[in-house]
Amino acid sequence: AQKVTQAQTEISVVEKEDVTLDCVYETRDTTYYLFWYKQPPSGELVFLIRRNSFDEQNEISGRYSWNFQKSTSSFNFTITASQVVDSAVYFCALSEESYGQNFVFGPGTRLSVLP
Amino acid sequence: DTAVSQTPKYLVTQMGNDKSIKCEQNLGHDTMYWYKQDSKKFLKIMFSYNNKELIINETVPNRFSPKSPDKAHLNLHINSLELGDSAVYFCASSSGTRAYEQYFGPGTRLTVT
Repeated sequence: AQKVTQAQTEISVVEKEDVTLDCVYETRDTTYYLFWYKQPPSGELVFLIRRNSFDEQNEISGRYSWNFQKSTSSFNFTITASQVVDSAVYFCALSEESYGQNFVFGPGTRLSVLP
Repeated sequence: DTAVSQTPKYLVTQMGNDKSIKCEQNLGHDTMYWYKQDSKKFLKIMFSYNNKELIINETVPNRFSPKSPDKAHLNLHINSLELGDSAVYFCASSSGTRAYEQYFGPGTRLTVT
């Protein structure tokens, strides 16, 4: 079975603060893929990043960075110098190569960035 | 030049009716999906489909059926609608299956009264 946990249901920060969104996953597979998606108040789902299980390199894209650690089964997402436009629900998702239904989404973390 | 489009955006109907939601993608992808997002924002995959394989989430009632006239379209047909079917339904597409990111449509908010 696969499972994605996002323990933080809601987070509020003040603009310009850094914030980290946690994602912990469970899988039996050795080959799997991890994703982050953003769902702003307008409702659409926006792809942010994909990482495969063999690539533990951290990634930075502008104010966004991702820390993938297989040892702790975590794929955390950090926003540096948050902005009001970052307010959204953020989803972590897992897809396994071999087992079960593809694409399981975590419950999401609602981030509110206050001005 | 919308990548993944869905119609209608809103759908209000009564229990027992049959309805369809249409989805089209112009990304040239060969895999399409349907998701259900409930009122608590939980996203659950319902189907994944390419021209070779339909994978159905075992929890999806058989009142729900995907219909694909061609690679660019995957419609969702729902029979005998129930109150619990009220949700936002998202269509998505990707260039492959498990390894590839998905691109989502804007969603269809279905309300069953």
